[in-house]
Amino acid sequence: DAKTTQPTSMDCAEGRAANLPCNHSTISGNEYVYWYRQIHSQGPQYIIHGLKNNETNEMASLIITEDRKSSTLILPHATLRDTAVYYCIASPFDKIIFGKGTRLHILP
Amino acid sequence: SQTIHQWPATLVQPVGSPLSLECTVEGTSNPNLYWYRQAAGRGLQLLFYSVGIGQISSEVPQNLSASRPQDRQFILSSKKLLLSDSGFYLCAWSRGPNTGELFFGEGSRLTVL
Repeated sequence: DAKTTQPTSMDCAEGRAANLPCNHSTISGNEYVYWYRQIHSQGPQYIIHGLKNNETNEMASLIITEDRKSSTLILPHATLRDTAVYYCIASPFDKIIFGKGTRLHILP
Repeated sequence: SQTIHQWPATLVQPVGSPLSLECTVEGTSNPNLYWYRQAAGRGLQLLFYSVGIGQISSEVPQNLSASRPQDRQFILSSKKLLLSDSGFYLCAWSRGPNTGELFFGEGSRLTVL
């Protein structure tokens, strides 16, 4: 599995867009980019995933660079409930390995 | 709809005692099943995953074992617990094969004293 690098922590003002970066420079052709988040004392929650194209769903948007070496998760209008640890994962389908993630604080 | 259940939710066990955590999935068939552990202040570590009955892959050498006696049942066991086995254990499933969206259970918090 490709190693991913994320900032340890980030702050974002409530109501603003939260942009969470992730580097995965060693990603291989069959590895997808996944994003999950974990709110304290709960299991992780799937957010979105993609291979090459940008993706959008009701929770977030995923922007993947053309060379696939990095990506950005965008929460368009952050709320206090978005405070969590966000994990970026580069993996083939069957084995999802979590790194340390980014602790996102949404500030009122 | 699909649901996943883990039990027990919390467990306090002495060192050297056995362990059995159970996970069942309802509303789907032939899921991929996973066991993760999160030690205090640390990230999620993949322990085992299974793509079918009796098929278990272990990710790290450890004091634990896993079994899948039925299609939607996944059991995590230990014969003798160590202090380092303390943590938050999470079971997850995905619509295998070839899907990467994991659905997690509520977790089992194990404290070994």
